[in-house]
Amino acid sequence: EAGVTQFPSHSVIEKGQTVTLRCDPISGHDNLYWYRRVMGKEIKFLLHFVKESKQDESGMPNNRFLAERTGGTYSTLKVQPAELEDSGVYFCASSQVTSVYNEQFFGPGTRLTVL
Amino acid sequence: DQQVKQNSPSLSVQEGRISILNCDYTNSMFDYFLWYKKYPAEGPTFLISISSIKDKNEDGRFTVFLNKSAKHLSLHIVPSQPGDSAVYFCAAKKKSSGDKLTFGTGTRLAVRP
Repeated sequence: EAGVTQFPSHSVIEKGQTVTLRCDPISGHDNLYWYRRVMGKEIKFLLHFVKESKQDESGMPNNRFLAERTGGTYSTLKVQPAELEDSGVYFCASSQVTSVYNEQFFGPGTRLTVL
Repeated sequence: DQQVKQNSPSLSVQEGRISILNCDYTNSMFDYFLWYKKYPAEGPTFLISISSIKDKNEDGRFTVFLNKSAKHLSLHIVPSQPGDSAVYFCAAKKKSSGDKLTFGTGTRLAVRP
């Protein structure tokens, strides 16, 4: 069974440009999460989808970030316009059920560098 | 305000010895605690977890201890193996906050052959 996949693995853009990150969850997983790790710091929650609905977007930093999950399958996270502080590794995770006891499976991450 | 803290950024241990990774938390409302392991260029992988109603959970070489009064948990790996070399993240969840994980900053474990 394929795991969570993310594309691209790396992205280098200039400040002010737009970048779109993609996440494909494990097939059949209704729950999809985005997290971000800024260098050396903790992995921080951004948002949680249940199917195509945003369950919790309390971690989204500001309105330059837009996440979508049309059709409840893959998700995209767009940053527009990108700022220097957006640099970091963006992780996507998925899980089958919504439960405090569930296991979230993580993708390898997209390393975003904003110059 | 960081609610989950891992105060040791790195730890080096001899192969065969015990590795002890520590984690402190500030929010007494956390219901569930997890440890994730991360290799370079990979995402975090779930390792072991413990409910707040327990004080110990064991899985093979890995044991997690929870001290609620001290708001402290620890991960013991014994015996340590070179393949255990990775970054270990402590994480926590609250039932009232849905499904989101609150992570610590990670501890890099190096197991020397």
